[in-house]
Order: sequence, then structure tokens, then C-alpha cells
Amino acid sequence: LAKTTQPISMDSYEGQEVNITCSHNNIATNDYITWYQQFPSQGPRFIIQGYKTKVTNEVASLFIPADRKSSTLSLPRVSLSDTAVYYCLVATRYDNQGGKLIFGQGTELSVKP
Amino acid sequence: GAVVSQHPSWVICKSGTSVKIECRSLDFQATTMFWYRQFPKQSLMLMATSNEGSKATYEQGVEKDKFLINHASLTLSTLTVTSAHPEDSSFYICSARGAGSGKPDEQFFGPGTRLTVL
Repeated sequence: LAKTTQPISMDSYEGQEVNITCSHNNIATNDYITWYQQFPSQGPRFIIQGYKTKVTNEVASLFIPADRKSSTLSLPRVSLSDTAVYYCLVATRYDNQGGKLIFGQGTELSVKP
Repeated sequence: GAVVSQHPSWVICKSGTSVKIECRSLDFQATTMFWYRQFPKQSLMLMATSNEGSKATYEQGVEKDKFLINHASLTLSTLTVTSAHPEDSSFYICSARGAGSGKPDEQFFGPGTRLTVL
């Protein structure tokens, strides 16, 4: 399973766009990149998943360069409620690894008024 | 859709007792369930993977005799912490995945169970 590296923490202000970059140099051909959000004392919540280029949904965008060795989660116009820990994970979508996820340290995002 | 519940949400027990935590997929059949533990200010650590009807696969360093996992049906997995001690106090989180969720490659996480061992 590919190891991921993210900044430990980031600060932002309400209304700003936040970009969190994750490095995954050893990503394999079958691996997808998935981002989760976790609030204190809650289970992680799925944000977005992608394989290459750009993926956008109602809450975030995910940018993946051609070499796929990194990815950037973009949160548009954050609010105080976006204060949470964000995890970048790389895992195969197929069952040869049992689909297990290995969480890295995550990025603690703090949004200030 | 794809909701996972855990029961209890929190539990306090005396040292030496056993505690059972339930994880249920409410609206889909979970062929695979995962158990994690999380200490304060730390990331989630995968403990084991369980497939319905078969023995769980434990991660290195996790004692299978201490953390008993049963996945007897497609909607229920249980984690029993046997002879719990204060160092077992942690936040236990389960997740589930299955074709019935509509997103077979995605893991859906439960809300977690806070275990405190006195």
C-alpha cells in the first residue's frame, strides 16, 4: 500500500479557498486516491475520490497530475464547520488487497472567523 | 443510503471485564467490515478485516485473542475486547463495504464507540 505524506496542520479563514496537497510517490497503477474528513469523536466521512486529472463534486475538487505522485484537495470558500482532520488515502479498488485503507497522519485544518 | 451504526456509542467498564461493540450496516449487505482504533490526537489504526462467514484477518501487532471479531451475518460484525485494561481505552470505529451499498469500492464508516476502562 502506498504511503502518503500530508502537512500536519493548516490554518485558514472563512471564505477562503483551501488546498491540501498529499504526496504518494509509490502509487500503483490500480490505486485510487480518496480523501476523508473527520470531526472529533466521529467516524471519517468520504469527501471525494479520483484516479487522474480532475474530479469535482458538490463539496470539493480533487486535482491529480499526470504522474499521479501527488494530489490536491481543494475546498472552496471554507466555513468554520470545515474545521476537521482531512485524510488522504491511496488504495486499490480491487480485492487483491482486501480493500483495506491505511490512514496516515492527516491534516488538521483550522478555519478561523 | 449506506449507513453504518455502532452500539454502544460509549461504554465505561472495570478493568478485567469484557466489552462487546456492535457494527451494523443498516441498508446494505456488507461483505467486508473493518475495525479501527484511534487514540487521542492520533490517526486511525486498522486492527482487522473481516469477511462474512470467515475468520478475521488481523494486522500485525494486534492480539487476536484479546480483540475477538465475529462477522456472522452480512449486516453485523462484533468486536469483543476481552479482559479490558486501561490501555485499551480508545475510540473504536468500524467500516463496511459491499455491493449492496451501490458503491462497492467505498468504505462507509460508523460513528465510533468510545471505550473507557477504569
